[in-house]
Amino acid sequence: DVKVTQSSRYLVKRTGEKVFLECVQDMDHENMFWYRQDPGLGLRLIYFSYDVKMKEKGDIPEGYSVSREKKERFSLILESASTNQTSMYLCASSLGDRDISEQYFGPGTRLTVT
Amino acid sequence: LAKTTQPISMDSYEGQEVNITCSHNNIATNDYITWYQQFPSQGPRFIIQGYKTKVTNEVASLFIPADRKSSTLSLPRVSLSDTAVYYCLVALDMIYNQGGKLIFGQGTELSVKP
Repeated sequence: DVKVTQSSRYLVKRTGEKVFLECVQDMDHENMFWYRQDPGLGLRLIYFSYDVKMKEKGDIPEGYSVSREKKERFSLILESASTNQTSMYLCASSLGDRDISEQYFGPGTRLTVT
Repeated sequence: LAKTTQPISMDSYEGQEVNITCSHNNIATNDYITWYQQFPSQGPRFIIQGYKTKVTNEVASLFIPADRKSSTLSLPRVSLSDTAVYYCLVALDMIYNQGGKLIFGQGTELSVKP
């Protein structure tokens, strides 16, 4: 069974803080993804990575950066958190080039920025 | 950029067959169509994936017409535990044409009643 874990289920941060969200997968997957999920907007892709140290912007990268130093770990960084970044953040992974759509998701981190 | 469209909500009763349709007018040749299920406070879970015609697994069937501009997820004999949000995903040639996008639909909230 593929397991994707996220560092926190709930997180509360103050405006202007630097926030790190960590994601780890244990199935040697090539691809990893960060999404945010908001009511009425569905899932929106922030960034994805298809290899160590490689990253691509998704639909809404502004205000976020990512880091992938090891294959199993993909970090999402909010350089200076703002209230409009309050959301559910979901990490996912998938096997490789031809399996980008079969993604395995973590449980999510609900981030509140006050 | 392609857009996917799904009904916002659907109601059904236990034992009925449920069909949820997703429209994706600008789907590209290399794209697959994937459906996910999401329960509250959990990440989405992969249900089924297809390219054309019909795919069936132990959980659902996926029907894709020849023009591939829509797809229908079919859930046979639903039960109360099938109450969830269902998302369709069209992967727009992401890996081979970097700059493509992953487009999740808005999600369909299915409510199954006794």
